[in-house]
Amino acid sequence: DAEITQSPRHKITETGRQVTLACHQTWNHNNMFWYRQDLGHGLRLIHYSYGVQDTNKGEVSDGYSVSRSNTEDLPLTLESAASSQTSVYFCASSRTRNTGELFFGEGSRLTVL
Amino acid sequence: AQSVTQPDIHITVSEGASLELRCNYSYGATPYLFWYVQSPGQGLQLLLKYFSGDTLVQGIKGFEAEFKRSQSSFNLRKPSVHWSDAAEYFCAVGSQGNLIFGKGTKLSVKP
Repeated sequence: DAEITQSPRHKITETGRQVTLACHQTWNHNNMFWYRQDLGHGLRLIHYSYGVQDTNKGEVSDGYSVSRSNTEDLPLTLESAASSQTSVYFCASSRTRNTGELFFGEGSRLTVL
Repeated sequence: AQSVTQPDIHITVSEGASLELRCNYSYGATPYLFWYVQSPGQGLQLLLKYFSGDTLVQGIKGFEAEFKRSQSSFNLRKPSVHWSDAAEYFCAVGSQGNLIFGKGTKLSVKP
């Protein structure tokens, strides 16, 4: 079955370190998204991509970057991790841009000490 | 500004009772509307969606939602709640795959 997988599922890091969260989907979806989920804030969009070499900033993109070199993967990089980036991160993909129906990974819990 | 409001942070209902979760939105154009459910430690799963047409939409697990344009609402309903429905529910609005989510309503189910 096609799926979307995130790794690592749990990570603890220190302030100032670079961290990369991986996201891989096997649906061949063009559209991929990264959200963070925090208590009291729901899900907020970090970055999104509508295809290879296309990336766009979302609502809370400061301190994060993404790159899209193929259809299957959209890694999320924290250039210099901060305690405010402690969160649960969700990757999602969608088949078509118009419908907005998202398929989510199981999340990556990141703790920055 | 575009936004989604879920007024109830936490709701507790008895098993077998009916359920209604509220969602109000603010959006410039006619939006696409969604309800997602999240079980503990899991990602979000789509329950149902509204794009156009019949304003009462049916979803998975016996859920339905009604779009009311005049009230800018998209409330989620279920006639009889099961213990397995305990989860967090998110309303979302948007288009172009760029969704704005509400802050969620946590549902607890009493035996």
